[in-house]
Formats: sequence, C-alpha cells, structure tokens
Amino acid sequence: NAGVTQTPKFQVLKTGQSMTLQCAQDMNHNSMYWYRQDPGMGLRLIYYSASEGTTDKGEVPNGYNVSRLNKREFSLRLESAAPSQTSVYFCASMGPTSERTEAFFGQGTRLTVV
Amino acid sequence: SQQGEEDPQALSIQEGENATMNCSYKTSINNLQWYRQNSGRGLVHLILIRSNEREKHSGRLRVTLDTSKKSSSLLITASRAADTASYFCATVTGYSTLTFGKGTMLLVSP
Repeated sequence: NAGVTQTPKFQVLKTGQSMTLQCAQDMNHNSMYWYRQDPGMGLRLIYYSASEGTTDKGEVPNGYNVSRLNKREFSLRLESAAPSQTSVYFCASMGPTSERTEAFFGQGTRLTVV
Repeated sequence: SQQGEEDPQALSIQEGENATMNCSYKTSINNLQWYRQNSGRGLVHLILIRSNEREKHSGRLRVTLDTSKKSSSLLITASRAADTASYFCATVTGYSTLTFGKGTMLLVSP
C-alpha cells in the first residue's frame, strides 16, 4: 500500500518552461489536493478536487492548472514557470468527511525556477 | 487568506515539559485536524476532532475545540526531543476543503 506518490522529487526549471507534477493515490479517496509550502507561510492550497471530474481553486491558483485524470491521479501543471513558483509542492488525498478520515501526504516536490 | 492561524509561531521547551499550541480559524468547520512535519518532509496526521466534540485524547496528545471562539489547542505532555517538529492545524469546511495554518515550530531540548 503506497499511499500518495508524487513525482518528481526534485526539479529545476528555467523561467518560462513548463512542467507537470504527478500525484497518485491508492486509497480510493475522492478528495485530492495540491499545496505549496514556502518558509513562514505554512501550506497554501493551490487547487483541490472533491471528486473525479471536479476541480476547484484554492487560495493561490494563479499560474497553475490541474487535471483530475481519474479517481487515482491528480496532476498540477505550470505552463510558464516563474521564480515566484519556487517552492515545495505537496499532494494529498482524503476520504469522506463523514468517515472522520485524515489526509495523507506525498513526500513533496522541491521545485526551483531560475 | 489562510483559514487557520497557529500561536505561537515558535516554542522552545525542555524535555519533560508540556507544550501547548493554539489555533484560531475563521469560518464554520466540519472538523479540525492537527499534523506534524519533520524538517520539510510530508505531513503526518496526529489527531482529528469533529465540530460537535470538545476534547480528544491520543497518547500524550490532548486536543480541545471551542467552536464558539473558533479556536483549538493541542497539548503535548511530557515532551521528548523527538517531538521537535512543526505542527499545523487544518480545518475541513464545506464538502472537503482542507486548509492549513502557518504552523508552530516546536523545539524540545534534552
């Protein structure tokens, strides 16, 4: 049981390049999330998906797009990377609120945009 | 802006002492959760308390929730050096929106 798997773990991009961060979970969770973590800012929600086929903006969606490919996979795309997007990105998934489930996190992607 | 705000931002104590962290939030919640993060790694769930509960215990952890004040506290009793980490509160609102605060950095010295 792998939980939440994120790839890649590290990435360096040049300004203007694009890339997609991949996330997959094997817990049959409906809800999936993308966060970014910057020093002193905690985790800020970029986008989330409450169920397959739906996505919603979080607190800091500008410069990002997401795709909920199926129930397992939720990808985050940077179309034209900027230095301000240098951060650590975390993917998470969570079961139904009614079942008192917690969120499970991937190990993170450390992205540097130069 | 972020839903939750932890207080204090940093806390330094000696082994054996208790550590108390507080969290305030802005809107009605389904539940509130506390997480721990070691040095930039992924977050690990500690405890969940639902909006209709006032107190939960798990091992050395005690969480309280006051929905009238929109606040929660996490108490870690008899702290150990291994408890050194960042601690975050997270709220679930609406169907499944999960948002985090900025965290409290806890340093437990031997």
